[in-house]
Formats: sequence, C-alpha cells, structure tokens
Amino acid sequence: SQQGEEDPQALSIQEGENATMNCSYKTSINNLQWYRQNSGRGLVHLILIRSNEREKHSGRLRVTLDTSKKSSSLLITASRAADTDSYFCATPTYNQGGKLIFGQGTELSVKP
Amino acid sequence: EPEVTQTPSHQVTQMGQEVILRCVPISNHLYFYWYRQILGQKVEFLVSFYNNEISEKSEIFDDQFSVERPDGSNFTLKIRSTKLEDSAMYFCASSGVAGGSNEQFFGPGTRLTVL
Repeated sequence: SQQGEEDPQALSIQEGENATMNCSYKTSINNLQWYRQNSGRGLVHLILIRSNEREKHSGRLRVTLDTSKKSSSLLITASRAADTDSYFCATPTYNQGGKLIFGQGTELSVKP
Repeated sequence: EPEVTQTPSHQVTQMGQEVILRCVPISNHLYFYWYRQILGQKVEFLVSFYNNEISEKSEIFDDQFSVERPDGSNFTLKIRSTKLEDSAMYFCASSGVAGGSNEQFFGPGTRLTVL
C-alpha cells in the first residue's frame, strides 16, 4: 500500500509567504519524518514527529500530526529562496529493519 | 558534524557490467540502508542491514544485488550485471538506533547511469 502521499505536488510562492505541505499515510506509524532534497546534498532530515505528539517546531518549521486522520502537515514560515527544494514525508515500518517509505514529494519553489 | 559519505558521486557503466557503490556510514551507527530513486520517481527502499546481515530487502533487491560491510567503516552495494533500468540515484543511510524509531542520515547519493 502507498504510504506518505504528499500534496500539493508542486507549490510556488513568493519569498516571505508561508508554505504548507500535506502528507497522508495509510497504516499505523510510530513516527513520521520530513526530509528535503536537492541535487547537491541528497536527502536532508528536517524533523521527526512521534505518534504521541501533535505538533513540533524547529526554527521556521512547524509540523503537525493527526493520527486519527492519518495526516501530517509541514509549514515553513517566512519562506526564503533558499527553501526551494523537494520535500518528502516518510514513514518507517515497525519491523527490525525500520525502512522508510517515502511519498512522491512536494516541489517547492520560492521566488525572490 | 558527522555525515554519511558516498563514492563515487557519479558512475557510468555499460549494461552487463558489475558496479560497486560505496558508503561510509556515521561511525557509531548500527543500522544501514540502501535506497534508490529513479529520475522523477519516489525514493524506494532496497535493503536494510544490521549486525552483519540483511534485515529486510525489497522486491527490487534481487539476486543481482548484494551488500557487504567488509570492514568496520565501509558499506557497499554491488550490482552484479547492470541493466538499463538500474539507472538511478542510489542513497546510503545509517541510523544509530533501529531506523524505525529514529531519523536516518542519508549520504549525498551516487548517480548510476547504465548505457
């Protein structure tokens, strides 16, 4: 089954605006993780929110998790051109391996 | 800050050739992973490795693929006989605890091009 489907697929905003990306998943999770990706640095971990948490902040990032709706959102406040990247949510499996299942991602473009 | 490194950054090979992709995970980590991303597609899990053996592998990880931790620092992915469809970005990741409980740290990737 698909896990971690993001929407929108692409988002274009002006610098200073807030960017909101959503993620839905299908099975039970113990945490949900957000990553960003650019061609230079590969995948960079942004934030992890555990299933018993509803909201978490890190700098300009705010993540929410609604386990009843099996959804999460990533908010980037006061966006900058340097935030332009692809953003993915990922959910780990419960088993020993703990593989991450990634969504398709949201391509964020922040125009100066 | 410790980081995962991967070499080479770009590998071009002929179909049918063997390739070895190398990764140096973060030194005190115990769980290791390979993922791949075909251009324009999702990042897909290939294999996880713990305690010197494979913990889990995906359907993609067939007999053409193998992983090894030949010494205390390197973690390699070998593709025995490459196919055109193996062209992708390959990411190595490591985690200090069971990867499902904590973040995984990714390397910058190796872009594999099979001609």
